[in-house]
Amino acid sequence: AQTVTQSQPEMSVQEAETVTLSCTYDTSENNYYLFWYKQPPSRQMILVIRQEAYKQQNATENRFSVNFQKAAKSFSLKISDSQLGDTAMYFCAFYNFNKFYFGSGTKLNVKP
Amino acid sequence: GAVVSQHPSRVICKSGTSVKIECRSLDFQATTMFWYRQFPKQSLMLMATSNEGSKATYEQGVEKDKFLINHASLTLSTLTVTSAHPEDSSFYICSAHRRLADTGELFFGEGSRLTVL
Repeated sequence: AQTVTQSQPEMSVQEAETVTLSCTYDTSENNYYLFWYKQPPSRQMILVIRQEAYKQQNATENRFSVNFQKAAKSFSLKISDSQLGDTAMYFCAFYNFNKFYFGSGTKLNVKP
Repeated sequence: GAVVSQHPSRVICKSGTSVKIECRSLDFQATTMFWYRQFPKQSLMLMATSNEGSKATYEQGVEKDKFLINHASLTLSTLTVTSAHPEDSSFYICSAHRRLADTGELFFGEGSRLTVL
């Protein structure tokens, strides 16, 4: 079974600064997808960024980028120029064979 | 982006009654829908996987007779909590998988908060 680990339950960052959220996973598969989802106080899950395992290039989406290290099974999320609206729970997720596995989440607080 | 609508967003019911939650994919066909339960400050716990036209696949420890899932069409799945008890109070989230070259696109509903008195 796949497992996803987020070792940082809570993090804080000053507005406009950069923060990195960690995620590691365990799998014996070679082809899979990795995601970061954001869950703001409104509770609806929003896709932040997606990475295909077969792609070596790290995905980027505006202020959000990932550092995907396949051999190390690591998938961290970097948020640049943090904004107050980035305050939320962030979940790392692994997808393979029609199954999603979520990490325990990291609560990010962006301070003014 | 694709939209998944979940209804109701909040429901309060008496112990012993049944509650139905609907999950609709508004602008795409969802061959698979997932139902999650989320406890406060915790991650999403997968309850079951629902495929259109077939029986749902429940995760270990989830009572299928208590949490009835129906996926009658490619745009609608329902979760019915039968004979609800206070311990069933939780946040329930559905998500729909749009298989587009199996890219893993997964879209979430807004969630439904169930409170059983």
